[in-house]
Amino acid sequence: GENVEQHPSTLSVQEGDSAVIKCTYSDSASNYFPWYKQELGKRPQLIIDIRSNVGEKKDQRIAVTLNKTAKHFSLHITETQPEDSAVYFCAASQGGSYGNKLVFGAGTILRVKS
Amino acid sequence: DTEVTQTPKHLVMGMTNKKSLKCEQHMGHRAMYWYKQKAKKPPELMFVYSYEKLSINESVPSRFSPECPNSSLLNLHLHALQPEDSALYLCASRLRTSGMSDTQYFGPGTRLTVL
Repeated sequence: GENVEQHPSTLSVQEGDSAVIKCTYSDSASNYFPWYKQELGKRPQLIIDIRSNVGEKKDQRIAVTLNKTAKHFSLHITETQPEDSAVYFCAASQGGSYGNKLVFGAGTILRVKS
Repeated sequence: DTEVTQTPKHLVMGMTNKKSLKCEQHMGHRAMYWYKQKAKKPPELMFVYSYEKLSINESVPSRFSPECPNSSLLNLHLHALQPEDSALYLCASRLRTSGMSDTQYFGPGTRLTVL
């Protein structure tokens, strides 16, 4: 089955700096890669996603890149702000599979210092 | 309505109690999910319902019993739980059950404590 590895496990950056979180997946059939942000005590919220027919997607300060050949995808946050502090989870799934399971990475704790 | 709701927000129960968690969505989504999440860990899939039928059971102990009475409602019945079952229980829903992947929307979760 699919396995997703996520690095780093913790990341501290200064406000205004960029943050990059990387994930690798094992199953070449995976074709959908969402990123969720979870603040303490709250639900995971989708912040951006990418499908395998696209190499990069951007939404304001957040971007995701996908390298299908190397089977890895990354989250880039620019101009970080204290409210970006949270746990970030990457995930992978295969469209077309019955029930569409998401396989999550272990998570990255992002701390933005002001 | 563009939200998944869950009740109760918090639940404390003894090991001999029977309780239920409830999840609701009115977005017309046909796939619904139960996840268990321990602190600082990713959500762990428990069950998937597709068109009100159980399609995936991730080898969950029988003390957890899911139910999907209709397309908007998902329950998780709890009985004879153990302290290690204490966790955040998240419900999620998705528009389609198969085909092109799309977003899973999570509810706020029920914080369960088993004494």
